[in-house]
Amino acid sequence: AQTVTQSQPEMSVQEAETVTLSCTYDTSESNYYLFWYKQPPSRQMILVIRQEAYKQQNATENRFSVNFQKAAKSFSLKISDSQLGDTAMYFCAFMKQRGGADGLTFGKGTHLIIQP
Amino acid sequence: DTGVSQDPRHKITKRGQNVTFRCDPISEHNRLYWYRQTLGQGPEFLTYFQNEAQLEKSRLLSDRFSAERPKGSFSTLEIQRTEQGDSAMYLCASSPTSGRGNEQFFGPGTRLTVL
Repeated sequence: AQTVTQSQPEMSVQEAETVTLSCTYDTSESNYYLFWYKQPPSRQMILVIRQEAYKQQNATENRFSVNFQKAAKSFSLKISDSQLGDTAMYFCAFMKQRGGADGLTFGKGTHLIIQP
Repeated sequence: DTGVSQDPRHKITKRGQNVTFRCDPISEHNRLYWYRQTLGQGPEFLTYFQNEAQLEKSRLLSDRFSAERPKGSFSTLEIQRTEQGDSAMYLCASSPTSGRGNEQFFGPGTRLTVL
């Protein structure tokens, strides 16, 4: 079974700062996907960024980038130039490359607060 | 709005009652998932449908839970004889089988409170 660990229950930074959220995972699979999802207060979960394990290049999406270390089983999210709208719960998630049948395995989440 | 929708958004029920939730996925998505999220936790996978076939069920899905997806369109999740431990947010997600097939699009969830 897979496990995903997010060791930071809550983080708070000032607007415009850069923040890094940590995620480690454990799996015996060699092919898989990793995701960061954002869940704003009382709003639905949306995908922030995804990474295929077979790709060595770290994924980037505008202000969001990841540091994927496959050997260390680490998948951190960096948010640059943070904005008030980035305030949300952030979940790291894992999925086997098996046609999606197993669903996502989520961590417990990090509550990110962007202070004005 | 062509996103995933769920109904109802909130449900309060008494212990022992049956409840049913509905999920309408994005129309062209073949894959549909149900998750449960309790306070302070990440979502936990419950079950997976590809079209109308239920292909995976988590150990979390006890005998009191049943899910269907008739005709491969909307899905329902029924909980029989609800218990206080069933109180949670129930999330539905859908994804296509081609293209970005591993990206799941989530609905707003149904929050269940069992008194």
